[in-house]
Amino acid sequence: AQSVTQLDSHVSVSEGTPVLLRCNYSSSYSPSLFWYVQHPNKGLQLLLKYTSAATLVKGINGFEAEFKKSETSFHLTKPSAHMSDAAEYFCVVANFGNEKLTFGTGTRLTIIP
Amino acid sequence: NAGVTQTPKFRVLKTGQSMTLLCAQDMNHEYMYWYRQDPGMGLRLIHYSVGEGTTAKGEVPDGYNVSRLKKQNFLLGLESAAPSQTSVYFCASRDGRAGNTEAFFGQGTRLTVV
Repeated sequence: AQSVTQLDSHVSVSEGTPVLLRCNYSSSYSPSLFWYVQHPNKGLQLLLKYTSAATLVKGINGFEAEFKKSETSFHLTKPSAHMSDAAEYFCVVANFGNEKLTFGTGTRLTIIP
Repeated sequence: NAGVTQTPKFRVLKTGQSMTLLCAQDMNHEYMYWYRQDPGMGLRLIHYSVGEGTTAKGEVPDGYNVSRLKKQNFLLGLESAAPSQTSVYFCASRDGRAGNTEAFFGQGTRLTVV
């Protein structure tokens, strides 16, 4: 079965510095992968998705992620953190038949002023 | 364009009571999902549906039932609520006809069982 592991439960960065949120996946096929963001007491919003068209995926709000098959990773990055990026981020994988989406346990991002 | 709407947004139940959470989507999506979110555990899939009249179990189905009588609605039922079901519940829908599409989420229902 497919799964994702988010390697850090909490990441803190200073405003204006780069952000790196790590995600490794486990799958016997080339999966579809997503990153979602959840601001406090809000629903979930799609940041970006990988669907095998290109390994470097650009999303909203300056975020991007690179699919690396050799490392089974799909890390989320942003060159310069903003206070509004403080939220919880989820890495998500679709199963082979594409019906189910499995979430990682989440990474809480804190931005230090 | 409402997207995915969940009702109610908040509810407090006593142990043993029953309730139904309603999810409605107006995007003509085939797939619908119910997740629960607990601190440190991400979102875990309770049940899902790939079309009207069909349902399937997810990771944590025990204590819950679902129905998809109409394509736009997906109901989650708790027959006898337990404190362990205190959680935030999210509904989502997805266009299963096209490959690799993202899910759209409702705003969540915060349920407390006392």
